[in-house]
Amino acid sequence: TQLLEQSPQFLSIQEGENLTVYCNSSSVFSSLQWYRQEPGEGPVLLVTVVTGGEVKKLKRLTFQFGDARKDSSLHITAAQTGDTGLYLCAGGLGAQKLVFGQGTRLTINP
Amino acid sequence: ETGVTQTPRHLVMGMTNKKSLKCEQHLGHNAMYWYKQSAKKPLELMFVYNFKEQTENNSVPSRFSPECPNSSHLFLHLHTLQPEDSALYLCASSPMFDTDNYEQYFGPGTRLTVT
Repeated sequence: TQLLEQSPQFLSIQEGENLTVYCNSSSVFSSLQWYRQEPGEGPVLLVTVVTGGEVKKLKRLTFQFGDARKDSSLHITAAQTGDTGLYLCAGGLGAQKLVFGQGTRLTINP
Repeated sequence: ETGVTQTPRHLVMGMTNKKSLKCEQHLGHNAMYWYKQSAKKPLELMFVYNFKEQTENNSVPSRFSPECPNSSHLFLHLHTLQPEDSALYLCASSPMFDTDNYEQYFGPGTRLTVT
């Protein structure tokens, strides 16, 4: 059973469009993080959210942590080809242990 | 050198070989991790070290043997692997262990192929 479910698993859109990626769980997390991974590289941390209902913005990326701290979303406005990559959410479970979702592979077409 | 480095970046080994993966972090962190990333599966936590002491072994087969001589270096010794062990092996570090800061910083990974 997958502890963190990401959806969609694959998303291909045109440059300039908006998109939202979801990360859902039945478990409560002390924090939730989003990472982006490019081919042949390790994941790079984008943001950490820790408070239920918290919203953080990183340029065109908006991250939200659910009120109950069980889910999160990543919204990208006016997507660019440079946004292409694998987006991973990860939930903090205690004792520095992170559990990862299976990822959303995003392709932005020119 | 900055961040988290891993060597080698690519490794091909036979099932009877013995090899080691190396990870070094230049961030002054105290916790280090090994993860396995296979196609179509989430990142799997393998081992956690806190101040050189192993605090987590996530039911990893004994053909994988970690070593952490100090807080900056982490090794993964490999012997008699199976083809299904082929994957990207990622090392990560984090600042402090006993805090609510779960931010982890990853190396580029070692792409391992077992033939």
